[in-house]
Amino acid sequence: DAKTTQPTSMDCAEGRAANLPCNHSTISGNEYVYWYRQIHSQGPQYIIHGLKNNETNEMASLIITEDRKSSTLILPHATLRDTAVYYCIVRVKGTGANNLFFGTGTRLTVIP
Amino acid sequence: DVKVTQSSRYLVKRTGEKVFLECVQDMDHENMFWYRQDPGLGLRLIYFSYDVKMKEKGDIPEGYSVSREKKERFSLILESASTNQTSMYLCASSLSRSSSGNTIYFGEGSWLTVV
Repeated sequence: DAKTTQPTSMDCAEGRAANLPCNHSTISGNEYVYWYRQIHSQGPQYIIHGLKNNETNEMASLIITEDRKSSTLILPHATLRDTAVYYCIVRVKGTGANNLFFGTGTRLTVIP
Repeated sequence: DVKVTQSSRYLVKRTGEKVFLECVQDMDHENMFWYRQDPGLGLRLIYFSYDVKMKEKGDIPEGYSVSREKKERFSLILESASTNQTSMYLCASSLSRSSSGNTIYFGEGSWLTVV
């Protein structure tokens, strides 16, 4: 699975949009982009995933560049509960080992 | 919503004890996994299972075993707990190997301290 690069930390004002970038320049054509987040002392929470097209669900939007070498997770109206470490992962669907390389992620702090 | 439930959130066990960590998922997922998460090391896969009574070793299976007698339940067993097994243990599940995207869902985690 391709590796990803994310900023170590970001701050966002409460109520504003949080835009979390991720670089995955070595992504393969059959690799999906996944986002998870982990709030302190809890298990990772699935947020969203996509292959080529932009995706939106009740939690967030995922914008993938046309060349697929980077993506942005958007939390449209950040709340204090969105403070967490956000992980961008790329992986092939149906991977035999189903392993996940979480890396160090981005620590997002939402400020009141 | 997918629900992955781990039976114990916090445990303290003595060195040499046998430890059972239980995990149940309620979405009829075929795949189940056990990871451990340690600072600076990320998530490491211990064991996984594609079906009832099937198991495969992950990256760090030594000192652990697993049991999957029913589709919804996947147990992690530490035969003789050691202090280097102090960690947060995460159970996860996914629908199947062939499903689109194959999203993995995690439980809340079990914090194990071995003294």
